[in-house]
Amino acid sequence: GIQVEQSPPDLILQEGANSTLRCNFSDSVNNLQWFHQNPWGQLINLFYIPSGTKQNGRLSATTVATERYSLLYISSSQTTDSGVYFCAVRKGGSQGNLIFGKGTKLSVKP
Amino acid sequence: EAQVTQNPRYLITVTGKKLTVTCSQNMNHEYMSWYRQDPGLGLRQIYYSMNVEVTDKGDVPEGYKVSRKEKRNFPLILESPSPNQTSLYFCASRAGTSGRWSSYNEQFFGPGTRLTVL
Repeated sequence: GIQVEQSPPDLILQEGANSTLRCNFSDSVNNLQWFHQNPWGQLINLFYIPSGTKQNGRLSATTVATERYSLLYISSSQTTDSGVYFCAVRKGGSQGNLIFGKGTKLSVKP
Repeated sequence: EAQVTQNPRYLITVTGKKLTVTCSQNMNHEYMSWYRQDPGLGLRQIYYSMNVEVTDKGDVPEGYKVSRKEKRNFPLILESPSPNQTSLYFCASRAGTSGRWSSYNEQFFGPGTRLTVL
């Protein structure tokens, strides 16, 4: 099946710093999403981005589908950005489920 | 507000005592599914449903049942829970089952249910 690899696995930042999280996937996909799992365990949708670039406030994401990777940029990080960031992909076809990477655990220190 | 809701959010139970975790979405989505999240194993799909009365097994279906009698509801049933089913459970939904447009493909998750089986 499709493999999803995220890097780095852990990241510690000072408040105000910028960061880039990477997601590599092993096959062409029909769907790619970024999620933030907050310390309470909730999965928050950040981006639906099977290709191209999107921005939402301090966060932006870029997916280069032909090269099978996606990047999540966090600028001017805040302590509330702490948590685990997951990339998830789905191959084409109606029955395909989302395959999650192992996540990047981000800790933002004040 | 468009959302996926789950109840209960937290549950502690004992081995063998049947339980149901409810899931409901108000977005008229066709596709619904259940995941469990475990340390070191990530999120894995338990069951999914492509529409009313259409359900199928995911990657880890053993010990679980589901039903889809109405489009908005997709309960997860543990007939005889065991300690290895202690986990964080998520219900999810998306609008349709094909196409690249976000309105069909983007998946939304409920807030999660923390289940402990003693």
